[in-house]
Amino acid sequence: QKEVEQDPGPLSVPEGAIVSLNCTYSNSAFQYFMWYRQYSRKGPELLMYTYSSGNKEDGRFTAQVDKSSKYISLFIRDSQPSDSATYLCAMTVEYGNKLVFGAGTILRVKS
Amino acid sequence: GAVVSQHPSWVICKSGTSVKIECRSLDFQATTMFWYRQFPKQSLMLMATSNEGSKATYEQGVEKDKFLINHASLTLSTLTVTSAHPEDSSFYICSAVGISGANVLTFGAGSRLTVL
Repeated sequence: QKEVEQDPGPLSVPEGAIVSLNCTYSNSAFQYFMWYRQYSRKGPELLMYTYSSGNKEDGRFTAQVDKSSKYISLFIRDSQPSDSATYLCAMTVEYGNKLVFGAGTILRVKS
Repeated sequence: GAVVSQHPSWVICKSGTSVKIECRSLDFQATTMFWYRQFPKQSLMLMATSNEGSKATYEQGVEKDKFLINHASLTLSTLTVTSAHPEDSSFYICSAVGISGANVLTFGAGSRLTVL
């Protein structure tokens, strides 16, 4: 069993839809949870960063962490074609420690 | 702030040659840099953790004599792929962690290596 599980997709949605991306994990020691967006042939770009459980909102993006269920989510409201990318969840035990990545979910937003 | 630069962004080399990839933190000091490798349509796989002034820590299955990592200063880490072979063709990405504050886990744009 992988430490972090993420459905690779692809996930295809119409423009304007609400997108829900999820990851589950097995290591209860994870404390820091990140979502990265990666366009083709580019490095990952940090979207959201959450410490411990709870919600965090930034514009059209909302990150949720449920440590009791070992489940994290990223919601994208009013999705745009420019949101089409691969979304990677990542997590770590301590600040500055190595990240463990999910497989990445390919998102396609159709206009 | 928190910019990480990688160079070169794309390199093609002949089999048997060595290639050096640089990772620089441009506006912060990075005590730790991580090197990842990514194959097409796959996630990032950690290769090694590099701490300034000390030897890198390699992940299981990564050949340290083949992938030489040097972290000589707080703003520069290098990855040298020695005696490269076609199976080493991949996308190599570095990330850097600042000494403190919000410079957390910033990634470079990646370096695409193609070995002929």
